[in-house]
Amino acid sequence: DVKVTQSSRYLVKRTGEKVFLECVQDMDHENMFWYRQDPGLGLRLIYFSYDVKMKEKGDIPEGYSVSREKKERFSLILESASTNQTSMYLCASSFYPGQGSEKLFFGSGTQLSVL
Amino acid sequence: SQQGEEDPQALSIQEGENATMNCSYKTSINNLQWYRQNSGRGLVHLILIRSNEREKHSGRLRVTLDTSKKSSSLLITASRAADTASYFCATATFQGAQKLVFGQGTRLTINP
Repeated sequence: DVKVTQSSRYLVKRTGEKVFLECVQDMDHENMFWYRQDPGLGLRLIYFSYDVKMKEKGDIPEGYSVSREKKERFSLILESASTNQTSMYLCASSFYPGQGSEKLFFGSGTQLSVL
Repeated sequence: SQQGEEDPQALSIQEGENATMNCSYKTSINNLQWYRQNSGRGLVHLILIRSNEREKHSGRLRVTLDTSKKSSSLLITASRAADTASYFCATATFQGAQKLVFGQGTRLTINP
């Protein structure tokens, strides 16, 4: 089975800290995604990547950056954490269309609290 | 931007009954997918229906797609307590990277 692993289940940080959220997938997927989930707002796409060193902004990239140096790893960076970035962060991966199913495989999520 | 809008936002039924959730979207799609999320966990893919398909089945799940009305429905038959979860529809509008846009979800509660 595909496994998408997020490094932390719960994380508590202080305002202004630089925060790294790590995600690793073990199925050689081309595509990787970072979503945040907030009550009443559903899932919103922050950034995605369709290849190593390639990235594209999603719907809410402000305040975030990403890094994909290796195919299996996609990192989300909060340069200076703020309280409005308190949220559940979900990483996902998928095959490139034509190479298999287009469905997303999700990690278990990281609940980030910024105090 | 929110593409899929689920209806109802919450649904509570008795075990053994059927549960129907609806999803509406605004723009043309390549495919529509349904996901389940147990409380506080990641999402799990349930079923994918392509824009040229009208109905698809997987076990106790039945999905329909009406592209003329830009809507889809998810039917869960003979519900079980383990079906209690949030259900999300997601639409793929960009072929390249399969960027999915999710709705806000339907919270389904199955009462024993």
